[in-house]
Amino acid sequence: KAGVTQTPRYLIKTRGQQVTLSCSPISGHRSVSWYQQTPGQGLQFLFEYFSETQRNKGNFPGRFSGRQFSNSRSEMNVSTLELGDSALYLCASSSQSQLEQYFGPGTRLTVT
Amino acid sequence: GESVGLHLPTLSVQEGDNSIINCAYSNSASDYFIWYKQESGKGPQFIIDIRSNMDKRQGQRVTVLLNKTVKHLSLQIAATQPGDSAVYFCAERGGGFKTIFGAGTRLFVKA
Repeated sequence: KAGVTQTPRYLIKTRGQQVTLSCSPISGHRSVSWYQQTPGQGLQFLFEYFSETQRNKGNFPGRFSGRQFSNSRSEMNVSTLELGDSALYLCASSSQSQLEQYFGPGTRLTVT
Repeated sequence: GESVGLHLPTLSVQEGDNSIINCAYSNSASDYFIWYKQESGKGPQFIIDIRSNMDKRQGQRVTVLLNKTVKHLSLQIAATQPGDSAVYFCAERGGGFKTIFGAGTRLFVKA
């Protein structure tokens, strides 16, 4: 099986812009979770989608949003980018029955 | 609030020795714990997990121990190899599929 893929791998944006990141889960996996990883805060949970529904959400401002499509692919959007949004954004997928998550390589977002 | 922490941010071991990475958690309601390994430039990779109704689980060269009395989790790596050099994260999941990660421990393996 192909692993979790994320696009793009690297992205540079300026403050105030918005960005959309994409995640394709492992075939058959219906749960997709997003995480933000920074040196200062570590890995922080953003949200989790299952069958196109957001099941859980972390403590991030409303500028961070996401969605999941019927094929389980997911996107996350960050509006009005701030310098502090610079981070590695990781996507992870899991099957309905498994709690084990498989991570993608991440998208490195730099906000200047 | 909920938190998962690690006792040591950096661990250096000699190749061939055993490594022990420790983790403390505070949410006694969490029923599932996971260890991940993250190499530079990659996403975290699942190593081993354990449910709260167990106190030990073994994998290939790795063992996870869970002590619910003191809310402590450890990862033991036998015969540590250079390829084991990475950052190791413990994580807990309670209800709601929300995973809380610890800060991470960087493991250096000396040849």
